[in-house]
Amino acid sequence: AQSVTQPDIHITVSEGASLELRCNYSYGATPYLFWYVQSPGQGLQLLLKYFSGDTLVQGIKGFEAEFKRSQSSFNLRKPSVHWSDAAEYFCAVRAGNMLTFGGGTRLMVKP
Amino acid sequence: DVKVTQSSRYLVKRTGEKVFLECVQDMDHENMFWYRQDPGLGLRLIYFSYDVKMKEKGDIPEGYSVSREKKERFSLILESASTNQTSMYLCASSSPAGGRANEKLFFGSGTQLSVL
Repeated sequence: AQSVTQPDIHITVSEGASLELRCNYSYGATPYLFWYVQSPGQGLQLLLKYFSGDTLVQGIKGFEAEFKRSQSSFNLRKPSVHWSDAAEYFCAVRAGNMLTFGGGTRLMVKP
Repeated sequence: DVKVTQSSRYLVKRTGEKVFLECVQDMDHENMFWYRQDPGLGLRLIYFSYDVKMKEKGDIPEGYSVSREKKERFSLILESASTNQTSMYLCASSSPAGGRANEKLFFGSGTQLSVL
């Protein structure tokens, strides 16, 4: 069965600093991978997805993620964090009709 | 924009009560999902439906049932609520039209259920 691990439960960065959120997955076939963001009191919003092709994918709000098959990873990055990026971030892998989510990483941004 | 509406933002129920959580989407999506979200556990799939009157168990269906009588509405039912069902419940919908690569989940804002 597929699984997703997000090793960091909480991360705090200063505004303007770079960000990397880690995601490791376990899945036997070629994965479909996703990053979602949940702002306080909001539903989840898709940031970006990887299905095939270029392993570096660009998303909304200036985020990007890199798929590394050899490391079973799909880390999310942003070069300069804004205070509005404070939220919870979820990595997910699809298997058939089911989307399996990681435990989430809560990002806090210091002024 | 797609709208997925969950009927209640907050709900407080007593142990043993029957609880209905309602979800409505306005984009004619075939697929609908119910997840529960718990700190540190992320989102876990309870049930999903890919057509009217069709349902499939997700990872944690025990203690829950669902109903999909109309395409736009997907209900989650807790037959006899228990304290371990206190959680945030998220509904989502998607359409497979356009192929798997273009499928995107749209989420509601969630219902925070407290069972006392």
